[in-house]
Amino acid sequence: DGGITQSPKYLFRKEGQNVTLSCEQNLNHDAMYWYRQDPGQGLRLIYYSQIVNDFQKGDIAEGYSVSREKKESFPLTVTSAQKNPTAFYLCASSIFQGENSPLHFGNGTRLTVT
Amino acid sequence: SQQGEEDPQALSIQEGENATMNCSYKTSINNLQWYRQNSGRGLVHLILIRSNEREKHSGRLRVTLDTSKKSSSLLITASRAADTASYFCATARLTDSWGKLQFGAGTQVVVTP
Repeated sequence: DGGITQSPKYLFRKEGQNVTLSCEQNLNHDAMYWYRQDPGQGLRLIYYSQIVNDFQKGDIAEGYSVSREKKESFPLTVTSAQKNPTAFYLCASSIFQGENSPLHFGNGTRLTVT
Repeated sequence: SQQGEEDPQALSIQEGENATMNCSYKTSINNLQWYRQNSGRGLVHLILIRSNEREKHSGRLRVTLDTSKKSSSLLITASRAADTASYFCATARLTDSWGKLQFGAGTQVVVTP
């Protein structure tokens, strides 16, 4: 079955450490996204990528970095510069067409930094 | 503040009743999308409605869009316990580059048997 796999489901880190969240899709989608979700809030866009080897900052990119070396993979690194990294992180993908197409989401990674 | 804002924040109904939630937004859009999120899971796309459309149906879901009022509504008819989830609207603004959707904070729906 096609889908998006995020791993791990839960991640615990000490403050000051960088951590990388994995996102893999086998939907053959060109575009991939990273969102952050905090309790009681909507999703906020961190980074997105329309094609391989290209990505753009979203609304809250500070303290995060990404790479897009393969179509299937879009890992997110939460750096020590991110002031409030504890959150639920969601990866999504979509086809790249004329209008904003529906997003397909993974089941998220819950990151806790202490 | 966010582009899309859902109302109410929470809704509790009994099985068989209809559930209506609204989404208001601030700036002109290309399309508006509704998503569902079960607790601790990713979002699932429900319906996309374009700015030139006024109403769309999908199974027990009905979505309306009023661009003059900058608002949309999602109606779930004959609700079931399995409809318990948070529902989010997301807007593709005309002013944003491709790929950017603005999500609201969501409506939490609880359907009791």
